[in-house]
Amino acid sequence: DAKTTQPTSMDCAEGRAANLPCNHSTISGNEYVYWYRQIHSQGPQYIIHGLKNNETNEMASLIITEDRKSSTLILPHATLRDTAVYYCIVRPPSGTYKYIFGTGTRLKVLA
Amino acid sequence: NAGVMQNPRHLVRRRGQEARLRCSPMKGHSHVYWYRQLPEEGLKFMVYLQKENIIDESGMPKERFSAEFPKEGPSILRIQQVVRGDSAAYFCASSPRSRGGYGYTFGSGTRLTVV
Repeated sequence: DAKTTQPTSMDCAEGRAANLPCNHSTISGNEYVYWYRQIHSQGPQYIIHGLKNNETNEMASLIITEDRKSSTLILPHATLRDTAVYYCIVRPPSGTYKYIFGTGTRLKVLA
Repeated sequence: NAGVMQNPRHLVRRRGQEARLRCSPMKGHSHVYWYRQLPEEGLKFMVYLQKENIIDESGMPKERFSAEFPKEGPSILRIQQVVRGDSAAYFCASSPRSRGGYGYTFGSGTRLTVV
């Protein structure tokens, strides 16, 4: 079972920041928060992950609340190519644990 | 460094035939995962393999489906006696051996159509 809750869909204007929330209230102490996206029917693409500190890379920023029960993925300047389904997943860091994908958030970036 | 390579990209099989899907993980990755995505649905975990071992096959249908990851060569997902309901996109992902919270790298998938 997916351990996260995300809105089904969101719209964002091109050039604006897209803020995608995720609730993971039952997260365990050793579980990381991962974000992936799937553009159309391509293979999922890794975006970012974090444990408790905020993280930033060239694609996005990840803000994790202090109690770790929720997080927000931020795409600072959304483009039309960011239109995709975004998945938030919690999982221990070891490669021995599989990802369980939920239904994700369908983000539509509008021109 | 090539990414995860899956082939074929598209595969058409008649009902009752066998389908063999191949996945070559990224260099240095020893963990392979297979996922299936039915049309308009999310990704469902099928099986997790390491070299020569099946670690978790809790998502595999009990019949007709099998997977292997031999010491040499790609991982193979095999579907025997395919039926129309097997039509889906099958994605393979790989990850490194070590800990550290690495993300998976997914391949572009194989789209299986059963006619």
